[in-house]
Amino acid sequence: GESVGLHLPTLSVQEGDNSIINCAYSNSASDYFIWYKQESGKGPQFIIDIRSNMDKRQGQRVTVLLNKTVKHLSLQIAATQPGDSAVYFCAEKEEDNYGQNFVFGPGTRLSVLP
Amino acid sequence: NAGVTQTPKFQVLKTGQSMTLQCAQDMNHEYMSWYRQDPGMGLRLIHYSVGAGITDQGEVPNGYNVSRSTTEDFPLRLLSAAPSQTSVYFCASSYGPGQEYEQYFGPGTRLTVT
Repeated sequence: GESVGLHLPTLSVQEGDNSIINCAYSNSASDYFIWYKQESGKGPQFIIDIRSNMDKRQGQRVTVLLNKTVKHLSLQIAATQPGDSAVYFCAEKEEDNYGQNFVFGPGTRLSVLP
Repeated sequence: NAGVTQTPKFQVLKTGQSMTLQCAQDMNHEYMSWYRQDPGMGLRLIHYSVGAGITDQGEVPNGYNVSRSTTEDFPLRLLSAAPSQTSVYFCASSYGPGQEYEQYFGPGTRLTVT
């Protein structure tokens, strides 16, 4: 049978439109979250982070929203550009002795249409 | 700064062979981690280190060994390669808790085991 994990969710947006990428996390005790961007053939690159005592954080053209009630995270990209085409991952930091254990979501592929 | 470097970029092994994936960082980061990334899936933590001489297991440690004799280097050893270890391997480093959790990733090593 086919593994669910083989096919990434894909979001296609027109250049100039806003993009919203969603992520459901698993652990209500997670206290820190990061969004990463991964371009083809490269390692993940940090975009923006948010701590669990916040519900919104803004960067340059990006905004992360955190809804702890439903354990949901979203990344909003304003005025999407062709260079934004990539796979986007959310990662949650789970509590452990060293506070460094991140759990990554499967990712969403963003395609920007001309 | 070179950031996080990984060698080799590509490797093909036969089942049962051993090899070491190299990772180095020049940012004086305390934390270093190894992840594997399989098609359509998020990164999974193999092993991590919170400083020279200290290592611990992540989510998928079986078949891999690590050591951390210096702050800069964190090699990953495959003891007896298996086809299930075909994957892309990423090394990451960060300053550590209380400072910032942002992980800097290397470019990856694509490993195929036949």
